[in-house]
Amino acid sequence: QSVLTQPPSVSGAPGQKVTISCTGSSSNIGAGYDVHWYQQLPGTAPKLLIYDNDIRAAGVPARFAGSKSGTSASLAITGLRAEDETDYYCQSYDNRLSGYVVFGGGTKVTVL
Amino acid sequence: QLQLQESGSGLVKPSQTLSLTCVVSGGSVDSGSYSWGWIRQPPGKGLEWIGYIYQTGTTHYNPSLRTRVTISIGRSRNQFSLKLASVTAADTAVYFCARGGVRRGGDFDYWGRGTLVTVAS
Repeated sequence: QSVLTQPPSVSGAPGQKVTISCTGSSSNIGAGYDVHWYQQLPGTAPKLLIYDNDIRAAGVPARFAGSKSGTSASLAITGLRAEDETDYYCQSYDNRLSGYVVFGGGTKVTVL
Repeated sequence: QLQLQESGSGLVKPSQTLSLTCVVSGGSVDSGSYSWGWIRQPPGKGLEWIGYIYQTGTTHYNPSLRTRVTISIGRSRNQFSLKLASVTAADTAVYFCARGGVRRGGDFDYWGRGTLVTVAS
C-alpha cells in the first residue's frame, strides 16, 4: 500500500485528455511538500516530467501539465498520443517518522 | 551531460549483503547542490526510495530499510555506493541510482539505467 494513491489505470482515445490523480494526506502533500511526476517506458529508467508541482522538465511537451491542491495533485495529458501509453508515478515527501521520500503506486495510461 | 551508471553483483544469496556502485560522469558528487540516491523497483511493481547521501556525507534512509542500508560516497572515483544487508527474496528488484536535489523531497532529475539484482540461492 503506497503512501500516495494513484489509480492503477486510466485510458483515453487519441487527441483526448486524461488526468492522473495522486492522493496524499496531511503528512505529505497536505503538509506543503512538492509533488513531482515521472514517466517510465517499459524496461527503462523513470524520466522526470514535472517537478515542484507544475514545472515541466526540459524538453517535456506542453501537453503535460501538473497541478496541486490540498492533499492531492494531478497530472493532465492533453492531445493524447500513442507514445504516451506507459506508466506514470508521482513522488513527494512524508514527514512522519524521520521523514522519507514517497512514491505513488503508478498509473498505466492506455491509448484506446 | 550528466550520466550515472550502476554496477555490481546481479545475483546475491539470501542473508548476504547486496553491494552496488554508481559511477557519475559529466558532473561531480562533490557538488553541494545535489544529493545522490538509490531507488528500487521489484519486477512488475512500483518505485521504492531507499535513501540518499549528500556531499557532506550526511545520509537519509527509508525507515523501512534503515537497519540494513548503508550509502557511502567515494570522491576519488566520483561514485557512490549502496550496501543492503541480510537480503531476502523480497529485495529482488531493479536498482536505480539517481541525482536528487539538496532539499528533502526534491525531484530526481538524472537516473542510471538500472541494474537487476536477484536474491536466490
